[in-house]
Amino acid sequence: AQSVTQLGSHVSVSEGALVLLRCNYSSSVPPYLFWYVQYPNQGLQLLLKYTSAATLVKGINGFEAEFKKSETSFHLTKPSAHMSDAAEYFCAVKNNDMRFGAGTRLTVKP
Amino acid sequence: DTEVTQTPKHLVMGMTNKKSLKCEQHMGHRAMYWYKQKAKKPPELMFVYSYEKLSINESVPSRFSPECPNSSLLNLHLHALQPEDSALYLCASSRETVNTEAFFGQGTRLTVV
Repeated sequence: AQSVTQLGSHVSVSEGALVLLRCNYSSSVPPYLFWYVQYPNQGLQLLLKYTSAATLVKGINGFEAEFKKSETSFHLTKPSAHMSDAAEYFCAVKNNDMRFGAGTRLTVKP
Repeated sequence: DTEVTQTPKHLVMGMTNKKSLKCEQHMGHRAMYWYKQKAKKPPELMFVYSYEKLSINESVPSRFSPECPNSSLLNLHLHALQPEDSALYLCASSRETVNTEAFFGQGTRLTVV
């Protein structure tokens, strides 16, 4: 079965600093991978998706992720954090259904 | 239009009540999902409908009863719930079940008293 593991339940960065949220996947077939963001008391919003067309995927709000098969990773990055990026971030893998990692809470300090 | 609409946004119900959650999408998606999310946890899959047929039931208790009346609508009927069922219930849809991104509604915050 496919699954994803997010390393670090909480990441704290200063405003303007690099954001790096880690996700590793487990899959016997080429995976379809996603990053979602969730603001308090809201649903999940799709940030970006990997569908094997390109290893570097650009998403909304300045986020991007790189698929590395050799490391079975799909880490999410943003060069410069903004206060509005503070939220919960979920990595997900989808075959017939979507399965989520445990989530990483991003805090941005002024 | 990439919107999934869930109603109501908030629901408080007693343990003997019967209520329903509603989800609607007009994107022509043929897969629809119910997830349950407890505080500080990821969404947990409950049900998957594909082409209006139930394709996955993640061993959900029978007090939760899903229904897909047509390709745009998904309901979740609730009966005799327990306080531990209090959670955010999320509906999602995707073009197909396989390998396509899911779009989520804003959720229904359910409190069982």
